[in-house]
Amino acid sequence: EPEVTQTPSHQVTQMGQEVILRCVPISNHLYFYWYRQILGQKVEFLVSFYNNEISEKSEIFDDQFSVERPDGSNFTLKIRSTKLEDSAMYFCASRTGGFGEQYFGPGTRLTVT
Amino acid sequence: DQQVKQNSPSLSVQEGRISILNCDYTNSMFDYFLWYKKYPAEGPTFLISISSIKDKNEDGRFTVFLNKSAKHLSLHIVPSQPGDSAVYFCAASGATDSWGKLQFGAGTQVVVTP
Repeated sequence: EPEVTQTPSHQVTQMGQEVILRCVPISNHLYFYWYRQILGQKVEFLVSFYNNEISEKSEIFDDQFSVERPDGSNFTLKIRSTKLEDSAMYFCASRTGGFGEQYFGPGTRLTVT
Repeated sequence: DQQVKQNSPSLSVQEGRISILNCDYTNSMFDYFLWYKKYPAEGPTFLISISSIKDKNEDGRFTVFLNKSAKHLSLHIVPSQPGDSAVYFCAASGATDSWGKLQFGAGTQVVVTP
């Protein structure tokens, strides 16, 4: 069964460093998402991406964040200058089109020290 | 921004019995609701969904009920099995969120005991 994959599973970085989190969505999906879950809190929407551009973003997704689909398979989230409060699980998700469920990857645990 | 609420942080149920998980929402623009299951160190796994034009949807042991007037939905798991022990999230999406952004509840930890 097709699945969303994410790398790395765990990333440790120092405050102020740039990180890139990688995702490979399900191949025939058209809509792509990033969510995050800070320990003990809800899963929060960050950004949606369709037709090679951001379609919607939350207030969390400020200028320090960017997303890219550099080729036909990868979908990346970049944090330019990490802060301690960026420590969280980051989940990538995708769905086919129209209306429907989103399929989530296993997540990347980002730890900022 | 508590638009989706799961007021029970945990639920313990005996194997073979029914698990009932509840979810309330405040945004009347929500028209699509989903339940996800999550094991530790894994991503949320889609379980079942319901559109606002229906009041019930079944898939095997899982049934979701929607009461639009009360802005309430519930997930029934019958019979509960040990493998059902996980965190269950309610999520909602709305007609105004045409890109499909999901808003999640805080989750309910279900423990199924032998």
